[in-house]
Amino acid sequence: AQSVTQPDIHITVSEGASLELRCNYSYGATPYLFWYVQSPGQGLQLLLKYFSGDTLVQGIKGFEAEFKRSQSSFNLRKPSVHWSDAAEYFCAVGANNYGQNFVFGPGTRLSVLP
Amino acid sequence: DAGVIQSPRHEVTEMGQEVTLRCKPISGHNSLFWYRQTMMRGLELLIYFNNNVPIDDSGMPEDRFSAKMPNASFSTLKIQPSEPRDSAVYFCASSLRGKAFFGQGTRLTVV
Repeated sequence: AQSVTQPDIHITVSEGASLELRCNYSYGATPYLFWYVQSPGQGLQLLLKYFSGDTLVQGIKGFEAEFKRSQSSFNLRKPSVHWSDAAEYFCAVGANNYGQNFVFGPGTRLSVLP
Repeated sequence: DAGVIQSPRHEVTEMGQEVTLRCKPISGHNSLFWYRQTMMRGLELLIYFNNNVPIDDSGMPEDRFSAKMPNASFSTLKIQPSEPRDSAVYFCASSLRGKAFFGQGTRLTVV
């Protein structure tokens, strides 16, 4: 069965510092990979997704993620964090784009210091 | 805790029938979210509750959709009457202090 792990439960970074959130997955075929962000009191917002092609994916709000098949990873990065980036971040894996065998990771909470 | 429990896991129904999806949040969580995932639109927030009260239902697509949370341990999402375009995977999530946990989803097929 597919699974997603996010090893870091909580990360704190200073504003302006770089960020990397880790995501590892287990999946029997080529996965569809997603990163979502949830701000307090709001629903999930899609940051980016990977299906095929270039393994470095650009998303919204200055985020990017790199798919590394050999490491079964899909880490999220941002070169310079803003205070508004403080939120919960979820990695997810699925069989396709419409929810089949869709699994969310446990989430990583990001705190940003001024 | 068993996590967020959704039932049924799969539902196939005929167009025009009423469909009820169920969600049992994690005990102690005070927020509950219903999402829908489709190929065309990705993941959409339908509605969320805080302390059993609907806070934002702006994502509910139309009047055929309704959601209730009669108590802290149970929520339903009802579609009446169902249509083929409602076919999707519906996720429920519950959270406490902003940390959300997702159910495994209900795959709904309306034929």
